[in-house]
Amino acid sequence: AQSVTQPDIHITVSEGASLELRCNYSYGATPYLFWYVQSPGQGLQLLLKYFSGDTLVQGIKGFEAEFKRSQSSFNLRKPSVHWSDAAEYFCAVAPASGGSYIPTFGRGTSLIVHP
Amino acid sequence: DAGVIQSPRHEVTEMGQEVTLRCKPISGHNSLFWYRQTMMRGLELLIYFNNNVPIDDSGMPEDRFSAKMPNASFSTLKIQPSEPRDSAVYFCASSLGWGTSGTQEKETQYFGPGTRLLVL
Repeated sequence: AQSVTQPDIHITVSEGASLELRCNYSYGATPYLFWYVQSPGQGLQLLLKYFSGDTLVQGIKGFEAEFKRSQSSFNLRKPSVHWSDAAEYFCAVAPASGGSYIPTFGRGTSLIVHP
Repeated sequence: DAGVIQSPRHEVTEMGQEVTLRCKPISGHNSLFWYRQTMMRGLELLIYFNNNVPIDDSGMPEDRFSAKMPNASFSTLKIQPSEPRDSAVYFCASSLGWGTSGTQEKETQYFGPGTRLLVL
């Protein structure tokens, strides 16, 4: 079974600073990988996903993530954070084969943005 | 597309009452998922359906919880009787899922806005 670890429960950054949110996964093969964002009082919105190919994935709202097989990581990055990026971020992994199609979500990282 | 639709958005009820949460998945999606989110336990998968058939309900916490999907465009999650510890945000999500050939998009879940349940 796959698992996901988001080591940071909270991250605080200043507006305009760069951001990196960590995500590590455990899975026997290359999985499908996702990042979701949840703004306060809202549902989860898909930011980006990795299925195959280029390991650097571009998403919405200026986010990108890089899949590193050797490190079993899929970290989310943004070069300059805006106050509106304050939210909860979830990494998810789903099996690329086997037919279960059930993703496993991390516990989330809460992003706080200081003006 | 309107996305995944959930109703009600907020529900306040008293302990012992029956609660019914509703979900309309994205048209054309074959899989539907019910999640519960709490501060203590994070996001938990309760049950998921494929082609209207429940595939795995191992996440359903107790017999008080039940879910149905009578057709491809509607699902319900029922709690009877409700208890204060059921207070949480309940999300419905849908994906292309099984039965979709030639695409990796089957894995991508799209979430509804959630139902905030408070059981007093």
